[in-house]
Amino acid sequence: GAVVSQHPSRVICKSGTSVKIECRSLDFQATTMFWYRQFPKQSLMLMATSNEGSKATYEQGVEKDKFLINHASLTLSTLTVTSAHPEDSSFYICSAPPQREPTDTQYFGPGTRLTVL
Amino acid sequence: QKEVEQNSGPLSVPEGAIASLNCTYSDRGSQSFFWYRQYSGKSPELIMSIYSNGDKEDGRFTAQLNKASQYVSLLIRDSQPSDSATYLCAVMDSSYKLIFGSGTRLLVRP
Repeated sequence: GAVVSQHPSRVICKSGTSVKIECRSLDFQATTMFWYRQFPKQSLMLMATSNEGSKATYEQGVEKDKFLINHASLTLSTLTVTSAHPEDSSFYICSAPPQREPTDTQYFGPGTRLTVL
Repeated sequence: QKEVEQNSGPLSVPEGAIASLNCTYSDRGSQSFFWYRQYSGKSPELIMSIYSNGDKEDGRFTAQLNKASQYVSLLIRDSQPSDSATYLCAVMDSSYKLIFGSGTRLLVRP
């Protein structure tokens, strides 16, 4: 099946620094990727939709200037958490739908655990 | 506001029993429905997808969809301790976004 990778799998950073998370589709092209955030014992919440070659669209309540998304190629989307604070500590997961069947399931990356000290 | 509702559980069943997980959704325009299993600290993995009314079976898993009632369920037969996880119901909206329920924690007792 299709594979989506994320890097890094875990990151610990100091408050006020920026952290970049990469999401790659390894064996298929993804014009769209989705970024989710999951706090402990809660479900996945969609943060934004990453669109190759155009601006990302953000869900209500998600600060676009804090969570910068760049979809530079058909296989790579990056999420940068700027000026991270402890409340940004969470599990960040990306996903990508198959181009030919967008109504089919999305392929999820393994997630990135962010801890902000 | 599009919503997907699940009982948070935990749902505890003995090994070998049938586990029944339920989900309701608010968006009548939804076309695709999914059940994911998520182990602690891991990403969700797809268990079942269903697109039309009725039942869909895959091994020990059966998904049931009733669009009139806006209801989707997952049955797990012959439950195993390894099935213990959180099960997420997800509904895809018209812009291909997945809306997740809060998840039901399943515990299968040996």
